[in-house]
Amino acid sequence: GQQVMQIPQYQHVQEGEDFTTYCNSSTTLSNIQWYKQRPGGHPVFLIQLVKSGEVKKQKRLTFQFGEAKKNSSLHITATQTTDVGTYFCAGMIGTASKLTFGTGTRLQVTL
Amino acid sequence: DGGITQSPKYLFRKEGQNVTLSCEQNLNHDAMYWYRQDPGQGLRLIYYSQIVNDFQKGDIAEGYSVSREKKESFPLTVTSAQKNPTAFYLCASSIRVLYGYTFGSGTRLTVV
Repeated sequence: GQQVMQIPQYQHVQEGEDFTTYCNSSTTLSNIQWYKQRPGGHPVFLIQLVKSGEVKKQKRLTFQFGEAKKNSSLHITATQTTDVGTYFCAGMIGTASKLTFGTGTRLQVTL
Repeated sequence: DGGITQSPKYLFRKEGQNVTLSCEQNLNHDAMYWYRQDPGQGLRLIYYSQIVNDFQKGDIAEGYSVSREKKESFPLTVTSAQKNPTAFYLCASSIRVLYGYTFGSGTRLTVV
């Protein structure tokens, strides 16, 4: 079926370093959403992007939606230990009324 | 406070038994969803419902069944036909399609 891939699968950074995860779909997405799941927890909604080329910021987090609406990225500036978790992108493909989740990127931050 | 409640948090069942996972929301959301998450994996959609008395199969519906008799409730039954039922099950809701999802805290099902 349709897939949404994320890279990298895992990244380990020192606190204060930047982090980026990339989300790629083989087909056009109606929208893209980002979620964070802390270890042992459940996904928490972060943001939604709808427009081609859209960029949104939340404090140290910057989200982008590609011009072709097939890819997206999440960039964290100056990571902190509280950023630890798995970040998932999720998009609606075509006219589907359900989200397809990406494979996730697990972020580990150490002092 | 509004939210989604999943119960129980941990569930153990013997192989061959059906089991029903509860999901209740008081957010007045129209749409509800069930996802399965395996260790180190992403989320896979089992079933979803956009309105009361209507639901659709997701990507991995085989061996599962649902009902949506009330707006607030979307229980999931894991039947004995599900070949590998041990997993973390997450229920979610959204006010409508194209809005962000609110997830419950999940149910960890172990079948022995």
